[in-house]
Amino acid sequence: DTGVSQNPRHKITKRGQNVTFRCDPISEHNRLYWYRQTLGQGPEFLTYFQNEAQLEKSRLLSDRFSAERPKGSFSTLEIQRTEQGDSAMYLCASSSSGRSEAFFGQGTRLTVV
Amino acid sequence: AQSVSQHNHHVILSEAASLELGCNYSYGGTVNLFWYVQYPGQHLQLLLKYFSGDPLVKGIKGFEAEFIKSKFSFNLRKPSVQWSDTAEYFCAVTANQAGTALIFGKGTTLSVSS
Repeated sequence: DTGVSQNPRHKITKRGQNVTFRCDPISEHNRLYWYRQTLGQGPEFLTYFQNEAQLEKSRLLSDRFSAERPKGSFSTLEIQRTEQGDSAMYLCASSSSGRSEAFFGQGTRLTVV
Repeated sequence: AQSVSQHNHHVILSEAASLELGCNYSYGGTVNLFWYVQYPGQHLQLLLKYFSGDPLVKGIKGFEAEFIKSKFSFNLRKPSVQWSDTAEYFCAVTANQAGTALIFGKGTTLSVSS
């Protein structure tokens, strides 16, 4: 499968724990996006990378959230000191440029208990 | 920064009815526009996209959308819906310049009864 791959698919964690998600984009894509989606809502933009550079971050991305894309390939999204409000589907997408469609992964569903 | 507004939160139609979902964006410059669909339990998929040229674009599964620059709109249409079109539909926009993100609307849930 050469699509966008996200791991894990599901994560249950206790409040206060740290979690890390991984996204492997389509190999030739230089843009990588992270979104958060809650039930009945559209994907909310969190951050995006062009190659290894993090070009934009949403105000939703509090200081507990950090994202990296160290070599311009895969990316990780870490949430520190998780809160129940962090429970959501975290989506990753990649594209080859701003003038091309973004391809989405299946997402990582986070449940904070 | 750009933003997207979808006016219809939930639309309920019978099979064979015509569909139009509204989408308005706010951005003063040139934009790229997209409609994505999310079927139950599946990931987001592209329905159609507009970059430039003919403002009426055709996508998969009989969907089309019209870009009206003066109204900042990109409404999605389908002449005759099917039960299998039941899904969530998201409009998205990115500014046509380097370094801008892809921003989504809150989505419209379409329920089609057979």
